Amino acid sequence: KAGVTQTPRYLIKTRGQQVTLSCSPISGHRSVSWYQQTPGQGLQFLFEYFSETQRNKGNFPGRFSGRQFSNSRSEMNVSTLELGDSALYLCASSSRGPTNTGELFFGEGSRLTVL
Amino acid sequence: AQSVTQPDIHITVSEGASLELRCNYSYGATPYLFWYVQSPGQGLQLLLKYFSGDTLVQGIKGFEAEFKRSQSSFNLRKPSVHWSDAAEYFCAVGAAGSQGNLIFGKGTKLSVKP
Repeated sequence: KAGVTQTPRYLIKTRGQQVTLSCSPISGHRSVSWYQQTPGQGLQFLFEYFSETQRNKGNFPGRFSGRQFSNSRSEMNVSTLELGDSALYLCASSSRGPTNTGELFFGEGSRLTVL
Repeated sequence: AQSVTQPDIHITVSEGASLELRCNYSYGATPYLFWYVQSPGQGLQLLLKYFSGDTLVQGIKGFEAEFKRSQSSFNLRKPSVHWSDAAEYFCAVGAAGSQGNLIFGKGTKLSVKP
């Protein structure tokens, strides 16, 4: 079955703009997590959504937000972009319930460059 | 504070040599432990995981890891490295029921010499 799909793969924005990233989880997965990956800070957890509800949130400013739709697709938004927001944003999906294997399945990421 | 430490930023081994990547964690509850691998331009792929039971776990691609509670370690090993193993390896820790929220180490980049 298809893996986790993230769009767009690459994008360039300027400071002050906003950006929306999209993630389609593996079919049947209802949990979606977002991570920011930078060379300096590594992989940092942003938030997790399950059944359209935010379940966990990392230590990021309010400029970072997300949502999940009834079909489990998720979007994250970053407003008022700063240079430091340049990063690879990774989405991961997982199943919950009887089929839960404890594994996160990652997409290939959306690489955001802020100029 | 909860954290994961991978002491080695970059390791180079010869093809066919054995490999051990170190991981130490600090976690208040019983940890769920993971090793992920990331090739350039790719997302992360799970190599193996430890939840409970046998402390030596087998993963994909011939990797194994041993959980040592007394040392708070979860080192990754492979007896014979292949050139295709060159990638970045991440150790991660999470809690039961909160698998979407993992704490990752900074990663160890593995280079393989022919």
